[in-house]
Amino acid sequence: NAGVTQTPKFRVLKTGQSMTLLCAQDMNHEYMYWYRQDPGMGLRLIHYSVGEGTTAKGEVPDGYNVSRLKKQNFLLGLESAAPSQTSVYFCASGRRDQETQYFGPGTRLLVL
Amino acid sequence: AQSVTQPDIHITVSEGASLELRCNYSYGATPYLFWYVQSPGQGLQLLLKYFSGDTLVQGIKGFEAEFKRSQSSFNLRKPSVHWSDAAEYFCAVGDGGGAQKLVFGQGTRLTINP
Repeated sequence: NAGVTQTPKFRVLKTGQSMTLLCAQDMNHEYMYWYRQDPGMGLRLIHYSVGEGTTAKGEVPDGYNVSRLKKQNFLLGLESAAPSQTSVYFCASGRRDQETQYFGPGTRLLVL
Repeated sequence: AQSVTQPDIHITVSEGASLELRCNYSYGATPYLFWYVQSPGQGLQLLLKYFSGDTLVQGIKGFEAEFKRSQSSFNLRKPSVHWSDAAEYFCAVGDGGGAQKLVFGQGTRLTINP
């Protein structure tokens, strides 16, 4: 049982490039979330999903898109990366009948 | 909208000393409250949570937290810290909505002196 995994662990992008971050969970959780973590700001919710095929915007959605084609996967896309998107990105998942979220190890992204 | 404030950005304590990390929240109804810990380079791990009932909750690694509605606080405590407790600690409140979204505080970094 791997829990929540994230791919890649670290990536460097140039401004304007695109990339996709992959989150996978093997706990059969209905809910999945993408956060970004910046120094002094805690974690902020980017997008979330309450089920396969559904997504919604969180607190800081601009510049990101998401997709949840399969229940176990939640993809975060950056179409045109900007230096302001340099951050550590965390994925989390949770059960519909529980409030607890389970976090992945994070992806460190540097945009030059 | 709900919010969480952790007034202390950085705290240093000596190994074996007691610890209290502060958390204040703003929320209209009875909140769902959480404390998570993040070790360097790692993801977040749940320490404890409060939904209802006994206002003193026990968590993993010897941590406890007390919910005080009158003070809108949910402070984390440990009677005797270990060097392995050095980490960043986040308080969070659940929005109570169907998607169970969390709002996090800014975090408190804990350093342990030997």
